Amino acid sequence: NAGVMQNPRHLVRRRGQEARLRCSPMKGHSHVYWYRQLPEEGLKFMVYLQKENIIDESGMPKERFSAEFPKEGPSILRIQQVVRGDSAAYFCASSDSGGQGIEAFFGQGTRLTVV
Amino acid sequence: DQQVKQNSPSLSVQEGRISILNCDYTNSMFDYFLWYKKYPAEGPTFLISISSIKDKNEDGRFTVFLNKSAKHLSLHIVPSQPGDSAVYFCAASPASNYQLIWGAGTKLIIKP
Repeated sequence: NAGVMQNPRHLVRRRGQEARLRCSPMKGHSHVYWYRQLPEEGLKFMVYLQKENIIDESGMPKERFSAEFPKEGPSILRIQQVVRGDSAAYFCASSDSGGQGIEAFFGQGTRLTVV
Repeated sequence: DQQVKQNSPSLSVQEGRISILNCDYTNSMFDYFLWYKKYPAEGPTFLISISSIKDKNEDGRFTVFLNKSAKHLSLHIVPSQPGDSAVYFCAASPASNYQLIWGAGTKLIIKP
């Protein structure tokens, strides 16, 4: 049973380009959370999705960021027109119940570097 | 506004001794607290949790203590082992909300 898979592991983008981060949840999990970790900081909640629905996007910046979790395929976090301040580690977690803690499993993260 | 604070960026402990990691919070609505462990280049892994109706929860070498009046919790690891070297994050959430608020982490180094 594969764990939560995130790809790419490392992504380098020039300012103004688009970044697409993918998260494949564990088999049977229909709840996905995205977090961002800036250097020397803890993880910050961004968005909570279930299949085809955004449940809570209160942690998402108002512009340039969007997320989806289609019926088929991975969840995608999309950042348009990236800026240097978007450089961070982006983690996703999945669960089968919507709970966190022991119920949620994290991927290895995508490290985005904007040059 | 840091609602969850881990004031020690790093901690060094001798193998076999007790490691104590501390976490303070400001929001009295938090009632579920979790500790995660994170190795470099990996995602966080859930370690142990405690709800506000308890003041202690134990799982093997790991014990979490909660002092609600002081808004403080701590993670005790005893005895400490080399594989415990990692960054430890404290996180909290209110009962009504699944969102976790995370501390900045404490890097634990276990010396042989």
